[in-house]
Amino acid sequence: KAGVTQTPRYLIKTRGQQVTLSCSPISGHRSVSWYQQTPGQGLQFLFEYFSETQRNKGNFPGRFSGRQFSNSRSEMNVSTLELGDSALYLCASSLWGPPNYGYTFGSGTRLTVV
Amino acid sequence: TQLLEQSPQFLSIQEGENLTVYCNSSSVFSSLQWYRQEPGEGPVLLVTVVTGGEVKKLKRLTFQFGDARKDSSLHITAAQPGDTGLYLCAGATGNQFYFGTGTSLTVIP
Repeated sequence: KAGVTQTPRYLIKTRGQQVTLSCSPISGHRSVSWYQQTPGQGLQFLFEYFSETQRNKGNFPGRFSGRQFSNSRSEMNVSTLELGDSALYLCASSLWGPPNYGYTFGSGTRLTVV
Repeated sequence: TQLLEQSPQFLSIQEGENLTVYCNSSSVFSSLQWYRQEPGEGPVLLVTVVTGGEVKKLKRLTFQFGDARKDSSLHITAAQPGDTGLYLCAGATGNQFYFGTGTSLTVIP
């Protein structure tokens, strides 16, 4: 079966711009979570969506937002980009989500802000 | 603030050696998972443990969940170059997974 697809794989943006990242989960999975990964902070939880509703949110500023569509595909948006937003953004798909179901991760989107 | 601390942070060993990676917390988790991540890719789930004291084996990898469900260990026997990667533990509490700080393992041929 197809895995988790994230697009684009690489992105270079300028400070102040906004960006939208896309994630297509495994077919049938209803939970989609987003993580930011940096060398200094590791994997930090952004938010989780389940059946189009945000179920959990991490401690990120309001510039970070997301949504989930009826087909479970999800997007995250970062507005007014800062240099510190440079990171690998990972999407994780799960049948029902935590705590009982593990994640299948996508390969990530590498965002570089210059 | 990291809920889960992993040690060591970096590990470089020769092929054939044994190693243990630790994942510690002061919090109790309903389940704990281990992932391995290779450069340029997302983490891949290795195992889920849910019962205090549980031990699971996956070929040369042995995973143990602490009795109090606050800590876990991953033991690799006779490490191979293919074991190289970033090992991450993740604890579930409430409806969220919290990831550990990671252990970067390099196995030298």
